[in-house]
This record gives sequence, C-alpha cells and structure tokens, in this order.
Amino acid sequence: DVKVTQSSRYLVKRTGEKVFLECVQDMDHENMFWYRQDPGLGLRLIYFSYDVKMKEKGDIPEGYSVSREKKERFSLILESASTNQTSMYLCASSLSRTAKYSNQPQHFGDGTRLSIL
Amino acid sequence: SQQGEEDPQALSIQEGENATMNCSYKTSINNLQWYRQNSGRGLVHLILIRSNEREKHSGRLRVTLDTSKKSSSLLITASRAADTASYFCVIANAGGTSYGKLTFGQGTILTVHP
Repeated sequence: DVKVTQSSRYLVKRTGEKVFLECVQDMDHENMFWYRQDPGLGLRLIYFSYDVKMKEKGDIPEGYSVSREKKERFSLILESASTNQTSMYLCASSLSRTAKYSNQPQHFGDGTRLSIL
Repeated sequence: SQQGEEDPQALSIQEGENATMNCSYKTSINNLQWYRQNSGRGLVHLILIRSNEREKHSGRLRVTLDTSKKSSSLLITASRAADTASYFCVIANAGGTSYGKLTFGQGTILTVHP
C-alpha cells in the first residue's frame, strides 16, 4: 500500500513565522499535491508537482511556496504565516502525469492541523 | 477539472440500514472516483469506476454510473457506526492534460447511529 506521511498531525505557530510542512511518499509517485481544507470550502489545491524541481500553482497559491528536491518529498512553505492560514493541510500523491495514468487515484496523508496565533 | 456535486449534503441513518449517496456532473468523464474521509483524517480512495463501466463492487460498497444521466451513486449496505464519515465523488475528465489533478466537491456527511 502507498504510504503518504505528513511530518506533524498538529502544529501551532505564530503570525509572521516561516512554517514548513513536510510530506513524504514511499511509492515512487511522480505527482504530489498540497491542499487545504476548510469548513464550507472543501478541499482547495494550493500547489502540485509532477516531477523533481517542477511545481505548478493550484487554485490558491498566494502566501505559499513549495519545494521538491527529491521525488519522494514535497514541502509546503508558508513564507510569513497569517491567521487566515489556520487550516487543515493535506498532502497527496498519485502515480504519474502521463496521459495513461493521469486519472489515477490520489493517496492522502493524515493531514496537519495548523493553527496560526 | 470539473467538480462532482454530491447529494444529499448530509445523511443520518441507523446501523444496519443502507446508505445511498449520489453524484452528478456536467461533462464527459474518463472515470469517477469515490473517497471517504473520517473526521480529522486524510481522504481514503474507495472505488474508481471507468466511463465504460456501469457497476462496480467492493465489499459492502456498490457504485453505479449512468453516463447518459451524468450521475453516479454510492451504496453502502448494512452500514456500521464506523462508516460515519464524509464521502466525496471526484471526476476525472476525459481528454486534456490534467497532470493528475482532481477536483473535490463538498461531500456528503454520513452519520450512522449505533
């Protein structure tokens, strides 16, 4: 089974801090994704990556950046945390972006509940 | 990618009853996927049904797909309290380059009372 591991289940940070959320997958997947989930708004895609050092903006990239230095690891960075970034953050991976596999299921981590005070 | 729309938004049943959730969409699909999310946890993929399939089973789960009506349903038979979760249908579009992106709707919140 695919395992997607997020480094923290719960995290509390202060406004203005630089925050790193880490995600590791163990199945050699090409695609990795970061979402945030808020009540009434559902899951919203922040950034995704389909290869090492490649990144693409999702629907709500403002205030975030990402890093993918190794295939298995995808980091989400809050450059200067703000209270409106308090949310549940979910990382996911899927096999490949090639046409044959681009519609395959995504595999999720357990999420990081981030509170910005 | 388009978003599937789940119906109802919330469903409350007794243990042992069947639960049916529906999903509608607007354009052609490659496949349709159902996910479950337990409270405070990540999403878990349940079933993928391709556009040329009409029905698929996995344990107590049965998914149907009607491409002429652009709709799908998820049936959970003999529900258990542990089935309490949010359920999402996700559309994978036909054609184009999605880079593996999927769009998740609001989901159906299922509560199964013991």
